[in-house]
Amino acid sequence: EDKVVQSPLSLVVHEGDTVTLNCSYEVTNFRSLLWYKQEKKAPTFLFMLTSSGIEKKSGRLSSILDKKELSSILNITATQTGDSAIYLCAVEAPQTGANNLFFGTGTRLTVIP
Amino acid sequence: KAGVTQTPRYLIKTRGQQVTLSCSPISGHRSVSWYQQTPGQGLQFLFEYFSETQRNKGNFPGRFSGRQFSNSRSEMNVSTLELGDSALYLCASSLNGGVTYEQYFGPGTRLTVT
Repeated sequence: EDKVVQSPLSLVVHEGDTVTLNCSYEVTNFRSLLWYKQEKKAPTFLFMLTSSGIEKKSGRLSSILDKKELSSILNITATQTGDSAIYLCAVEAPQTGANNLFFGTGTRLTVIP
Repeated sequence: KAGVTQTPRYLIKTRGQQVTLSCSPISGHRSVSWYQQTPGQGLQFLFEYFSETQRNKGNFPGRFSGRQFSNSRSEMNVSTLELGDSALYLCASSLNGGVTYEQYFGPGTRLTVT
């Protein structure tokens, strides 16, 4: 059964801290791994990773994929209160006529001033 | 460009009733996917519609159904509601489907079944 597991489930840090969120997966026909940030309601796209070892970076956020370990990490440096959200990891694994995108349950990050 | 819109935003129904949720994609997008989000199960894929045809389907019972109109707007219907159907229902649109980073999510409809 295809699955995506995220850890930790929740995390509380102080502003300025650096955090690392983890995502591991077991799927057939892996195509890509995606990270989303969900505040209040709609998830917004952060990164898409397809190749091992190539870091994607956007400001204070960065992410990398390890296909050998079937995992990915999302790093946030110098955290701010605005980073408080649920971070979702999803794996795209195309299957004919069936679900293509498998989500983890998310990591809830709370940044305290 | 207007984003994905969903109506209604909040809904309260009782067990046994049915409900219809609506999703209007970004203009020009032809694919609409529906997801159910609950605290215990996270975000789960329901189905994807592309050009009025259901293209992909997740592991949900037949009480969950959907359709897409010629203007790409989509509706999702849940019949014989159960307490466990209480969730946030999100739809996402993309230009050509394929459920990749090109998906844009709507704000969701919060359904509460009592």
